[in-house]
Amino acid sequence: DIQMTQSPSSLSASVGDRVTITCRASQSVATSLSWYQQKPGKAPKLLIYTASSLLSGVPSRFSGSGSGTDFTLTITSLQPEDFATYYCQQIYSTPLTFGGGTKVEIK
Amino acid sequence: ELQLVASGGGLVQPGGSLRLSCAASGFTFSSYWMHWVRQAPGKGLVWVSRINSDGSSTTYADSVKGRFTISRDNAKNTLYLQMDSLRAEDTALYYCARSVSGGSADYWGQGTLVTVSS
Repeated sequence: DIQMTQSPSSLSASVGDRVTITCRASQSVATSLSWYQQKPGKAPKLLIYTASSLLSGVPSRFSGSGSGTDFTLTITSLQPEDFATYYCQQIYSTPLTFGGGTKVEIK
Repeated sequence: ELQLVASGGGLVQPGGSLRLSCAASGFTFSSYWMHWVRQAPGKGLVWVSRINSDGSSTTYADSVKGRFTISRDNAKNTLYLQMDSLRAEDTALYYCARSVSGGSADYWGQGTLVTVSS
C-alpha cells in the first residue's frame, strides 16, 4: 500500500497569511493526487485533482503542485472560511490512501 | 441539484450486519464510479471501497475485504454497502462519494453513522 504523510499535522495562521501544506507519498504516484477540505461536522470537499487542477468554483487562492512523491497545497491569502482540515489522497493505485490531515487553526 | 443521501446506519452488536444505502439524484448515476469512505470519530478519512459504473468491478481496503460488499442498482440510482462480521473498529461515519478524474471524489453525501458496540 502507498502511505501518504502530511506535514504539519496542524498549524496556526492569521487571516491574510500564505499557508503551505506538504504531502509525501511512500512511492511515486505521478500526478494522481487530490486535495480535500473538511470543516467540522461537514463532508469533505474536493479542491484540487491531478495534483494541480483546481476544481471549478474553488477560489484561485488555492493551488497545488508537485509530482512523483512530493506535493504541496498552497493558500496564498488565508480567509476566515479556510480554517479547516485538509487531506491529500493518492488515486494512483488501490487502496486509495489519504494523508493524516492538516488542521489549519486561527492564530 | 446533485445529491447523495446516505442512510442505513445505526447501532449494531459486534459480529452483526448492516446495509448502507446511498441514493443519488441530479446526475446520470450509471455513468460514474462510486466510493465509500469512512471516518472514525475525531479521526481522519479512510477509503473503504470503490465500484465501477456498471457494477462489474469492485475493490476494497484490506481492513474490510471479505466482510464488506459494495454493489449498485443503476435502475434505482442507488449505491450499497453490505457490512458483515462488524467489529468495534468499524465504528465510523460512512460517506458515499462520486468518483471522477481517475478516482477523485467530487461530490459527497452527508454520511451515515455506524456504531458497533455491545
